[in-house]
Amino acid sequence: AIQLTQSPSSLAASVGDRLTITCRASQGINSALAWYQQKPGKAPKLLISDASSLESGVPSRFSGSGFGTDFTLTVSSLQPEDFATYYCQQFISYPQRELTFGGGTRVEIK
Amino acid sequence: QLQLQESGPGLVKPSETLSLTCTVSDGSISSSNYFWVWIRQPPGKGLEWIGSIYYSGSAHYNSSLKSRVTISTDMAKNQFSLELSSVTAADTAVYYCASLYGGGYADFWGQGTLVTVSS
Repeated sequence: AIQLTQSPSSLAASVGDRLTITCRASQGINSALAWYQQKPGKAPKLLISDASSLESGVPSRFSGSGFGTDFTLTVSSLQPEDFATYYCQQFISYPQRELTFGGGTRVEIK
Repeated sequence: QLQLQESGPGLVKPSETLSLTCTVSDGSISSSNYFWVWIRQPPGKGLEWIGSIYYSGSAHYNSSLKSRVTISTDMAKNQFSLELSSVTAADTAVYYCASLYGGGYADFWGQGTLVTVSS
């Protein structure tokens, strides 16, 4: 199965900071990548599909980029409600290939 | 928009079978736009795809769980189900059901249900 490596695994940031999280795939996945946000005790929420398509209702401060093996989730100016854990997920050639998630990036308040 | 709700026992004994059901509302599991997926999350850990099923009945499983997993649908009840056999403490997790749009990304999720494996 394709492995996804997220970095960093955790970080501390302040309100207003620019946040960048990376997700690296063990092999090329074109743009078959999604990003999710998860808050404690809640189900994950889809933020971005197809590497860069912002889901309806997601604030424009969130953006995604990348193609192939290297992807980035950016939050332009962190808001208090953005402190959460973020996961990437690949879906290249599903169902012929398995779905996999990255290990997550926990974003805490500095 | 789709709504999903997991149901099933919160406690399962080791070596027994974990059984969960996901009820879908405001949409049909016979939709050709969706796969229906089970994902789990052990306490304090990350997300793991368990498997998915299409309305045709075609199912696909995580290779690490394949020998123990069965996912099925009940069209009449608009539900899909998970069975995981021979459970151990390592199967203790929050189990989520979700809709997988186009077989890609999970756009709607249930709230999740904690299943503990313990005697």
